Amino acid sequence: DVKVTQSSRYLVKRTGEKVFLECVQDMDHENMFWYRQDPGLGLRLIYFSYDVKMKEKGDIPEGYSVSREKKERFSLILESASTNQTSMYLCASSFGTTQYFGPGTRLTVL
Amino acid sequence: GENVEQHPSTLSVQEGDSAVIKCTYSDSASNYFPWYKQELGKGPQLIIDIRSNVGEKKDQRIAVTLNKTAKHFSLHITETQPEDSAVYFCADSGGANSKLTFGKGITLSVRP
Repeated sequence: DVKVTQSSRYLVKRTGEKVFLECVQDMDHENMFWYRQDPGLGLRLIYFSYDVKMKEKGDIPEGYSVSREKKERFSLILESASTNQTSMYLCASSFGTTQYFGPGTRLTVL
Repeated sequence: GENVEQHPSTLSVQEGDSAVIKCTYSDSASNYFPWYKQELGKGPQLIIDIRSNVGEKKDQRIAVTLNKTAKHFSLHITETQPEDSAVYFCADSGGANSKLTFGKGITLSVRP
């Protein structure tokens, strides 16, 4: 079975903290994605990666960075968390066009 | 894709009735149109998809239709059940990669 796991379901951080969100897939997929989901705004792409050490900006990359040192792991980094980054973060992976999503991490920045 | 619009934002139907959710897209190069279902506390999951060389696809109680001329595609759910209550996202993709552009989602409520 396809499996995408995210390191935390819920996370509470303070403004200015550096935050790491981890995503791991066990399907040997080349493509991995980070989205944020906000009410009324749907899924918005933050960053994606087509291969190890490769990354491309999505639609809303400001305030975020990513790291992909291994094929199965894609990390989202908030260099200095701000309250407007309070959101649900979803990771996905794909080989072709079908994306498989993790359960999400609900991040609250106080 | 460039922009995907999804209407309405909420839909309530009686159990057993049909539900239709429509999406429009703007990118003429789009050639792949998936629908995802997101249940409470879970990530979105693909339920059906269609490619631009096909007009309709059906899988048990769900179907998707595509009108390339009008640039819209629709999800049809027949004989709705309470477990169909969820958020549904449409998306499109046109490039050689697997990047998707999602609509804003619609919350479907099936009243028992």
